[in-house]
Amino acid sequence: AQSVTQLDSQVPVFEEAPVELRCNYSSSVSVYLFWYVQYPNQGLQLLLKYLSGSTLVKGINGFEAEFNKSQTSFHLRKPSVHISDTAEYFCAVSDPYGNQFYFGTGTSLTVIP
Amino acid sequence: NAGVTQTPKFRILKIGQSMTLQCTQDMNHNYMYWYRQDPGMGLKLIYYSVGAGITDKGEVPNGYNVSRSTTEDFPLRLELAAPSQTSVYFCASRPRGQGRSYEQYFGPGTRLTVT
Repeated sequence: AQSVTQLDSQVPVFEEAPVELRCNYSSSVSVYLFWYVQYPNQGLQLLLKYLSGSTLVKGINGFEAEFNKSQTSFHLRKPSVHISDTAEYFCAVSDPYGNQFYFGTGTSLTVIP
Repeated sequence: NAGVTQTPKFRILKIGQSMTLQCTQDMNHNYMYWYRQDPGMGLKLIYYSVGAGITDKGEVPNGYNVSRSTTEDFPLRLELAAPSQTSVYFCASRPRGQGRSYEQYFGPGTRLTVT
């Protein structure tokens, strides 16, 4: 089975500062990795995904993530955050068939003016 | 396209009552999912379906039932509501086929309280 650990439950950061949200996963098979964002009272929206190929993936809103197989990590980064990035961020992993998805417990990013 | 729609948005149930959470998608997606989201716990998969007539259990299926008679609809049934089922429920769908992006499209959620 797969599992996901998000190491930080809350991350405050000043506007225009860089941010990294950490995600580690465990799996005995190849997996696909995702980051989703959830704004208050809304459903989740895909930020980016890693399926194969380049380990550095770019997503929407200036976010990027790097897949590190040896460290089983998929950390999310943004070089300069905006107030509008304040939201809950979820890391997720799927089985190789995309049937079941496992989500981390989320990281609440708060951007401080 | 409306995407994934869920009804109702909010509901309060008494212990022991039953209800159905509705989920409809108009994107002709084969895969559909039901999740529950509890504070600090992330999303947990309840049931999923890979196509009409085919459903399977996720991580936390106890207390729930599903059916998938059409591609568009994937209702979630609570038979005997319990306080432990107080949660926010999300329905999601994704396509199957060439380019398999595995991106799920989420509905806006149903907030359920059982008292």
